[in-house]
Amino acid sequence: QVQLQESGGGVVQPGRSLRLSCATSGFTFRTYAIHWVRQAPVKGLEWVAVISSDGSQTNFADSVSGRFTISRDNSKNTLYLQMNNLRVEDTAVYYCARGNPRWDYLDHWGPGTVVTVSS
Amino acid sequence: DIQMTQSPSSLSASVGDRVTITCRASQTINSNLNWYQQKPGKAPKLLIYLASSLQSGVPSRFSGRRSGTDFTLTINALQPEDFATYFCQQSDITPQTFGQGTKVEMK
Repeated sequence: QVQLQESGGGVVQPGRSLRLSCATSGFTFRTYAIHWVRQAPVKGLEWVAVISSDGSQTNFADSVSGRFTISRDNSKNTLYLQMNNLRVEDTAVYYCARGNPRWDYLDHWGPGTVVTVSS
Repeated sequence: DIQMTQSPSSLSASVGDRVTITCRASQTINSNLNWYQQKPGKAPKLLIYLASSLQSGVPSRFSGRRSGTDFTLTINALQPEDFATYFCQQSDITPQTFGQGTKVEMK
């Protein structure tokens, strides 16, 4: 079955960096765009970034643009989110989610990884 | 960015009730509106995509409808496992945006 599993979360000081990973299985990874969505404590959902199936196109929310990068290794069925210059307001649960190839709705999600930015 | 205005922010209902949640887009998004259910400590789960298509495995008591830029999620005959938070999301234009969520609580 389709599975996504995030890892790499933790506690980090403001200004530092963290790299999240999203390992996938159960589907043809190289044919799907993958998104990152985050949820701050007791808050709603915020879309963060997307990478196209071949990795040639990326897009970011304004709130993270210039600080976060997204990449993928289609040989390892794994997605990455490099987060630099972290801010307190980046504290959230980070989810990776698969985008439907035609309509881009998010049909499968990982369980999430917690990122806490605190001094 | 497209703003998604979801209402109500919370509601109280009983098992067997019919529940309706509304989402309004700030501009046309065609039918690229999706609904998710989230339970505490869990990832969101896709319920409805393209405004009215039921995701595989989702019970038929869930339904979605579009009227212009207004969208509704209806739960017929609410079940105990349906008490959760529901989010709408537009996937028409990047950045994708979500509604603020509706918490369905037990009356």
